[in-house]
Amino acid sequence: AQSVTQPDIHITVSEGASLELRCNYSYGATPYLFWYVQSPGQGLQLLLKYFSGDTLVQGIKGFEAEFKRSQSSFNLRKPSVHWSDAAEYFCAVASYDKVIFGPGTSLSVIP
Amino acid sequence: NAGVTQTPKFRVLKTGQSMTLLCAQDMNHEYMYWYRQDPGMGLRLIHYSVGEGTTAKGEVPDGYNVSRLKKQNFLLGLESAAPSQTSVYFCASSPVLAGETQYFGPGTRLLVL
Repeated sequence: AQSVTQPDIHITVSEGASLELRCNYSYGATPYLFWYVQSPGQGLQLLLKYFSGDTLVQGIKGFEAEFKRSQSSFNLRKPSVHWSDAAEYFCAVASYDKVIFGPGTSLSVIP
Repeated sequence: NAGVTQTPKFRVLKTGQSMTLLCAQDMNHEYMYWYRQDPGMGLRLIHYSVGEGTTAKGEVPDGYNVSRLKKQNFLLGLESAAPSQTSVYFCASSPVLAGETQYFGPGTRLLVL
């Protein structure tokens, strides 16, 4: 069965510091992988997605993620965090008919 | 384009009452989904639809029913609300395959007393 784990429930970083959010998945076939962001009181917005090809994926707002099949991971990174990046981040894996979301990582940014 | 809209935005129910949440999308998407979001649990799929007139169960379907009579609308019903159904409910749609980007509505906050 598909599953997604995000080991970090909450992360705090200083503005301007680098960021890495971890995601591990379990899926029998080649996965479709996503990162979504949710600002307070809002719905989810897609940051980036991986289907195939280059394992380093670029997304919006300066985010990138790297797919590592050997580690079953799809970690999200940003070289320099802005205060507006404070939000909840969800990793997700998709099969042909539905998407399974991880529990989320809450990001706080210290000015 | 309004995208995905949800009605109502907020609702308070008493235990045993019923209600229907409406989701509408104007992007001509085939797939539609209902999720609930609870602290520390991410989004859990309640029901989904792969096209007009079709529905399927997700991870947590008990206590909910859905209908997709029109392609653009996906209704979520609670026949007899329970406090355990207090949550934030999100609707989403995607073009064809679930591997495509999902577009989310703003959510409905439901409190069951």
